[in-house]
Amino acid sequence: GAGVSQSPRYKVAKRGQDVALRCDPISGHVSLFWYQQALGQGPEFLTYFQNEAQLDKSGLPSDRFFAERPEGSVSTLKIQRTQQEDSAVYLCASTPSGGNTEAFFGQGTRLTVV
Amino acid sequence: RKEVEQDPGPFNVPEGATVAFNCTYSNSASQSFFWYRQDCRKEPKLLMSVYSSGNEDGRFTAQLNRASQYISLLIRDSKLSDSATYLCAVNRGAQKLVFGQGTRLTINP
Repeated sequence: GAGVSQSPRYKVAKRGQDVALRCDPISGHVSLFWYQQALGQGPEFLTYFQNEAQLDKSGLPSDRFFAERPEGSVSTLKIQRTQQEDSAVYLCASTPSGGNTEAFFGQGTRLTVV
Repeated sequence: RKEVEQDPGPFNVPEGATVAFNCTYSNSASQSFFWYRQDCRKEPKLLMSVYSSGNEDGRFTAQLNRASQYISLLIRDSKLSDSATYLCAVNRGAQKLVFGQGTRLTINP
């Protein structure tokens, strides 16, 4: 597809359930980012991949959060034992390379933990 | 204190007015700067990059003041379609963008 694709668009999880969020970046984009956006806030950085290498995971809020990009294209963000405070929109972005280039965002996955 | 700060607004201005937002950043090592637009329940989309010399794109003008560590966005002759949240973003060269909270703008007819 032409843009960054994320699935599912919406996810309702019961507290304690594990969830997996998928991101399909723009074909050929080297860099992939995950952000968390709470209501009324700007996106907060979670983690960054360059190809299959996870170069920065400093924004992951706890060890319940795990991300992977095993083949350097599709990425999955997994949240284990979800808590209510995990409710947010999870945005994926990709760039052709890192650094100062435009980041293209997917439409996000809206996660609601009940 | 957050690394990138914006006045969340909301700003309510009449159609045709000029409106300006500022965004301050705390890390002097910041290298590149952007304004993103985010419509309700949509993803952020790049509005414009901000260059040291300032840059203009139609009704939109962005400026960078490195000495005072802020960037600004000016919208002239505002349109109803300009209603959105405007996010400033800063890149420290560490391959990630740091966003402000966003400024919510509503243009009224």
